Amino acid sequence: GQQLNQSPQSMFIQEGEDVSMNCTSSSIFNTWLWYKQEPGEGPVLLIALYKAGELTSNGRLTAQFGITRKDSFLNISASIPSDVGIYFCAGLGIQGAQKLVFGQGTRLTINP
Amino acid sequence: DADVTQTPRNRITKTGKRIMLECSQTKGHDRMYWYRQDPGLGLRLIYYSFDVKDINKGEISDGYSVSRQAQAKFSLSLESAIPNQTALYFCATSDWFKGEQFFGPGTRLTVL
Repeated sequence: GQQLNQSPQSMFIQEGEDVSMNCTSSSIFNTWLWYKQEPGEGPVLLIALYKAGELTSNGRLTAQFGITRKDSFLNISASIPSDVGIYFCAGLGIQGAQKLVFGQGTRLTINP
Repeated sequence: DADVTQTPRNRITKTGKRIMLECSQTKGHDRMYWYRQDPGLGLRLIYYSFDVKDINKGEISDGYSVSRQAQAKFSLSLESAIPNQTALYFCATSDWFKGEQFFGPGTRLTVL
């Protein structure tokens, strides 16, 4: 089945640093989604990408849909303590039909 | 009020017991999903439903069953719980067109 490879698996950074994580796939996706999960809560949608090459920002977060449609990255600028959590990428193959495929997650830890 | 709610939030039960987890949504979405999350394994799809009369198995459906009682309600049952079903369980919803999934807060299930 389809799989997403998300890296890195974990990150330990200092407050104020920028963060970058990415997802790659052997399959083409038509939609890329980025979620954040905090302890004891469900994943929350951060950014949705619908077109190859699309670059979208949400505050300090920026995500891009790769030109090949097989990858996506998420950047967080000037990290703050509340950015701590697990970030998941997810891909959707065909609009209106397919199930989401999730990456394994990137655990972000921030030292104040 | 939350758009996707799950009950109970926490449950401890014993091996062999029947357990039902419930999910309700006010987003008006047709599609609903049940996921399981284990440490280090990300989110895995158990069952999904694209409308009231549609039920589909996901990648790990063995030992589980579901019921879609109405557009807004989707329940997950463990007919005879076993310890390796100890996990976090999430319900999610999406519309047909965009495919973005919105998650509930989760149920932490412990099977002793």
